[in-house]
Amino acid sequence: GAVVSQHPSRVICKSGTSVKIECRSLDFQATTMFWYRQFPKQSLMLMATSNEGSKATYEQGVEKDKFLINHASLTLSTLTVTSAHPEDSSFYICSASNREPYEQYFGPGTRLTVT
Amino acid sequence: AQKITQTQPGMFVQEKEAVTLDCTYDTSDQSYGLFWYKQPSSGEMIFLIYQGSYDEQNATEGRYSLNFQKARKSANLVISASQLGDSAMYFCAMEEYNFNKFYFGSGTKLNVKP
Repeated sequence: GAVVSQHPSRVICKSGTSVKIECRSLDFQATTMFWYRQFPKQSLMLMATSNEGSKATYEQGVEKDKFLINHASLTLSTLTVTSAHPEDSSFYICSASNREPYEQYFGPGTRLTVT
Repeated sequence: AQKITQTQPGMFVQEKEAVTLDCTYDTSDQSYGLFWYKQPSSGEMIFLIYQGSYDEQNATEGRYSLNFQKARKSANLVISASQLGDSAMYFCAMEEYNFNKFYFGSGTKLNVKP
């Protein structure tokens, strides 16, 4: 099956700093990438959808200036958490889709801890 | 209204037995897809099975099958011959193709007992 990687897998940062998380589709071209956030013992929450070469579409309640998403190529999307706060600590998961056959391939996730 | 409903927060099943995880959905989109994912304690999401709204036959993937009842808007996951490694969270999800939306259920934690 298709492989999606995320880097880093785990990151600890101080309040006020910015953190960039990379999501890569390793063996296929992803026309669409999704970014999710998962709170402990809760389901995934879709944060935004990004199509290669265009601006991301953010879900209601997600601050686009805080969570910057760039989908510069068909194999790479980045999520930058700007001016991180402790409440941003979470598990962030990306997924990639090439729309055939509508499957999403999930990355392994990135655990962000803001101190 | 909830788009995806998983009514079983936790389930136990004896090893080698079959188990059904419930999922109901709500959509007005005529074209949609239904997914099941497994999330072990490591956190990664593993795709298990997919059912398209126009697929007439129930999807099967190895020990996984999806009991798709369109009129009842249910998409239950059946795991046959449970294994200890099946212990994990299971999420049902739906993608609305015309509305371009994706929804996850709240998940069911499955524990397989030896």
